[in-house]
Amino acid sequence: QVQLVQSGPEVKKPGASVKVSCKASGYTFTTYTIGWVRQAPGQGLEWMGWIRTSDSYTTFAQKVQGRLTMTADTSTNTVYMELRSLTSDDTAQYYCAREFGDYDAFDFWGQGTMVTVSS
Amino acid sequence: DIQMTQSPSTLSASVGDRVTITCRASQSVSSWLAWYQQKPGKAPKLLIYKATSLESGVPSRFSGSGSGREFTLTISSLQPDDFATYYCQQYTAYVPITFGQGTRLDIK
Repeated sequence: QVQLVQSGPEVKKPGASVKVSCKASGYTFTTYTIGWVRQAPGQGLEWMGWIRTSDSYTTFAQKVQGRLTMTADTSTNTVYMELRSLTSDDTAQYYCAREFGDYDAFDFWGQGTMVTVSS
Repeated sequence: DIQMTQSPSTLSASVGDRVTITCRASQSVSSWLAWYQQKPGKAPKLLIYKATSLESGVPSRFSGSGSGREFTLTISSLQPDDFATYYCQQYTAYVPITFGQGTRLDIK
């Protein structure tokens, strides 16, 4: 069965970086794009960007452009999302999610990774 | 970016009720619209894609309609498991993906 398993919670200080992993299983990894969506406490869903796992092409939301990197390791079927120069506004639950095309609905989601930015 | 506006923001209803949630886009998204259900502490779950297509495994009491700028999610007969927050999402090609602000469905 399809699974996206994310790494555990993180606590970071302002200005630091965080790297969250998303390990996929149960399907052909390079057939699907992986997107990242975050949700601040008590707030709605915010799209951050996606990575096409077949060739590592990426597209990011303008809000995080310049601070965000996504990489895909096809040997371990894992996608990594790294966000730099963290501020308290980056405190959120971060989700990876699978989409068939570059711009598509997200049919499977990871369990989420809580990132807390606090001094 | 395309703005997605859901109404209402909160909805109180009873088991067995028929409920409708509306999502309006600031410009046409054709039929590139999805609906998700999210329960507290859980990841969103895909219900509807391409405006009207029911995701596999989702009960048939959920349905989607619309195209262009206006869309609706209808639950034909509310069940206890349906009380959650619902989000619409547009995924037009080459445009940033955006979500509605959410509609919380509460028990009356």
